[in-house]
Amino acid sequence: DADVTQTPRNRITKTGKRIMLECSQTKGHDRMYWYRQDPGLGLRLIYYSFDVKDINKGEISDGYSVSRQAQAKFSLSLESAIPNQTALYFCATSDFGLAGETQYFGPGTRLLVL
Amino acid sequence: EDQVTQSPEALRLQEGESSSLNCSYTVSGLRGLFWYRQDPGKGPEFLFTLYSAGEEKEKERLKATLTKKESFLHITAPKPEDSATYLCAVLSQGGSEKLVFGKGMKLTVNP
Repeated sequence: DADVTQTPRNRITKTGKRIMLECSQTKGHDRMYWYRQDPGLGLRLIYYSFDVKDINKGEISDGYSVSRQAQAKFSLSLESAIPNQTALYFCATSDFGLAGETQYFGPGTRLLVL
Repeated sequence: EDQVTQSPEALRLQEGESSSLNCSYTVSGLRGLFWYRQDPGKGPEFLFTLYSAGEEKEKERLKATLTKKESFLHITAPKPEDSATYLCAVLSQGGSEKLVFGKGMKLTVNP
């Protein structure tokens, strides 16, 4: 089984709808991240969490919110989706400490906002 | 501001034709430089972490090296299955826990 799973894998929604993307991990890592990937722009950080009580904004957090329900679960919400949020979304995890700072990515969620 | 530049943006090789991918970076103190491989429609797959200038790591046909300004991913005798997008990212000592990614380099290896 995959260490980092994301649901759904594909989603089509309409402008103004609220949607939630979910991420679960079995790696036992404390740190979790949400990124979006757009052609020509690379991966950009939306939010990150170091533990259940610690949530931090990344470089492009406007229009998004997150919830860390447990060490293993980190959800990303789009409160009112807009077309320019169409992108590939990735969840990632990492452990604490210099030796453990490598981030491991999930398979991604492809989101289309019409 | 931390920056990562990868070159070339795309590279086509014949099977067996060795080459190198470049990742230039500017950071306020390097904590780590990371190489990932990404196949179409999939999440980035971790390849290497390098921490200090002079460090080298190898995995099969790939070898990553690091200087104070750049990293190279050397591909020796590539095969078609090495075709993918290769991503470089840096983590700085500046206090931010943010990985800064380059835009990636798409490698195509023709049989």
